[in-house]
Amino acid sequence: GAVVSQHPSWVICKSGTSVKIECRSLDFQATTMFWYRQFPKQSLMLMATSNEGSKATYEQGVEKDKFLINHASLTLSTLTVTSAHPEDSSFYICSALTGTGASSYEQYFGPGTRLTVT
Amino acid sequence: GQQVMQIPQYQHVQEGEDFTTYCNSSTTLSNIQWYKQRPGGHPVFLIQLVKSGEVKKQKRLTFQFGEAKKNSSLHITATQTTDVGTYFCAGEGFVFGPGTRLSVLP
Repeated sequence: GAVVSQHPSWVICKSGTSVKIECRSLDFQATTMFWYRQFPKQSLMLMATSNEGSKATYEQGVEKDKFLINHASLTLSTLTVTSAHPEDSSFYICSALTGTGASSYEQYFGPGTRLTVT
Repeated sequence: GQQVMQIPQYQHVQEGEDFTTYCNSSTTLSNIQWYKQRPGGHPVFLIQLVKSGEVKKQKRLTFQFGEAKKNSSLHITATQTTDVGTYFCAGEGFVFGPGTRLSVLP
């Protein structure tokens, strides 16, 4: 199946600094990638949809100036958490979409990045 | 916005027993997907259902999409310890339900 990688797998940063997380589709091209956030023992919360060559679409309540998304190529999307604070500590997971059309696709997830802000 | 709910939130079964989780949407869905997330892992795509009343099987797993395309179910026959994890449904817009956490006692 399709493989999606994320880097780094975990990161610890100080409050006020910025952190960049990379999401790559390794063996397929993805025009659409997603960024999710997951708290312990909770479901995935969709943060934004990343489209190659255009601006990301953010879900309601997600600060676009804080969570910067760049989908620079068909295999790479990045999420930058700017001026991170302890409440940003979470598990961030990306996914990439394969297939075509609204009724024929599969979503493959990266392994996730655990961010801890001290 | 579109919301999907799942029941039960938790399910503990003895190995060999069957298990079913239900997903319900407040609106009609064009499609629904199911995912499994093992403890400490990331979600893995299981299947997508598109047609009204559709039933698909994957070995011991049976997926069903309701006639009104507002609900779906995942049934596991004769659970095994490898089935442990959280099962999520997701509707269009890639919004995930809260998930059903399954534990299987050997």
